[in-house]
Amino acid sequence: SQKIEQNSEALNIQEGKTATLTCNYTNYSPAYLQWYRQDPGRGPVFLLLIRENEKEKRKERLKVTFDTTLKQSLFHITASQPADSATYLCALAGVASNTGKLIFGQGTTLQVKP
Amino acid sequence: DGGITQSPKYLFRKEGQNVTLSCEQNLNHDAMYWYRQDPGQGLRLIYYSQIVNDFQKGDIAEGYSVSREKKESFPLTVTSAQKNPTAFYLCASSILTGNQPQHFGDGTRLSIL
Repeated sequence: SQKIEQNSEALNIQEGKTATLTCNYTNYSPAYLQWYRQDPGRGPVFLLLIRENEKEKRKERLKVTFDTTLKQSLFHITASQPADSATYLCALAGVASNTGKLIFGQGTTLQVKP
Repeated sequence: DGGITQSPKYLFRKEGQNVTLSCEQNLNHDAMYWYRQDPGQGLRLIYYSQIVNDFQKGDIAEGYSVSREKKESFPLTVTSAQKNPTAFYLCASSILTGNQPQHFGDGTRLSIL
């Protein structure tokens, strides 16, 4: 069955360092992958989308990579700040998906300490 | 400002009772979705709708029902058949064409009395 794995352990880093979050998937061939941020008690907010034919995407301090051979996406936050502390979710959609349906990982919680 | 509004923020259900969660969007999106989120788990799809008067079951539809009578509205009813309804419920919408991000409301937390 299709499976998405994000590191369930919280990631604790020092302010100013680069945070790297991992999203691995199996039994799936996604056409694109999205990353969302979720704060406690709130709905997820879209951050970045990367397509299967793109290796890397950047937006300000955020960078996403997509390796379809390794079946893995990495999400980087450079010069991290305490305000970046949140749970980050990856989500995938398949080639045949014209329904907009996404499959979400369980999320990784990032804690940036001042 | 355009967005998605979910209400109420907190909801309590008694045994044997059906409850309805509201979701309204003013983004003019065709597609709408309902997810359930439990601690330590990803979002699981309950129902989705691509067009008015049509909807499809997601991965965990048992014990839930929906309607889509208007483009803007996609209410979710948690029926008494749902034996473990305590969860955080999220509604989302998107443009229907491929690879579009989903826009989420701020959720309803449902608990059992």
